[in-house]
Amino acid sequence: ETGVTQTPRHLVMGMTNKKSLKCEQHLGHNAMYWYKQSAKKPLELMFVYNFKEQTENNSVPSRFSPECPNSSHLFLHLHTLQPEDSALYLCASSQDGLEGYTFGSGTRLTVV
Amino acid sequence: AQKVTQAQTEISVVEKEDVTLDCVYETRDTTYYLFWYKQPPSGELVFLIRRNSFDEQNEISGRYSWNFQKSTSSFNFTITASQVVDSAVYFCALGYNFNKFYFGSGTKLNVKP
Repeated sequence: ETGVTQTPRHLVMGMTNKKSLKCEQHLGHNAMYWYKQSAKKPLELMFVYNFKEQTENNSVPSRFSPECPNSSHLFLHLHTLQPEDSALYLCASSQDGLEGYTFGSGTRLTVV
Repeated sequence: AQKVTQAQTEISVVEKEDVTLDCVYETRDTTYYLFWYKQPPSGELVFLIRRNSFDEQNEISGRYSWNFQKSTSSFNFTITASQVVDSAVYFCALGYNFNKFYFGSGTKLNVKP
């Protein structure tokens, strides 16, 4: 148990589906993040939330919609995705970033 | 511009060999932090070490050691007497605060028995 829990671990969805990824942290951290990890590409920062407020949107397409109802929970709502969106989506949390991040195990997303 | 380069895409070694993973970073700031993470096949990234830009002392933790050299903007990671369980993808990262965090592309380490 890493302290950051992501569900589901695996997800297969069609391009017309709507689904959500969930992340929960039990560490009392004040910042949460979504990262995308595609094959043979660097980790891509998608969104940053600090004290529930979105502070970074790294030019992510609108078919990805984050939600942070409180500092312990983070969601990524998905709709009308493309096959190239297939990737490992990692959630992380940190106290201020300087101590490093704690990552979840990720959701392996496949868009068919 | 901030950038982290891990030139070694994949390395294969035989168990008990020593292996060094290279990390070169690029920044104009004087205050920053460097990190190494391990990503085993299970997926989650595991924090290994953090160093700040003012502390160039090398660090050793068991079979792991890190060599930070500001003169060459490098933060290399050495595993001594590698084991099969060390097989993973290792990421170097450069950070400033919770909003500014940059990962390298990772080095996949294969340790063969």
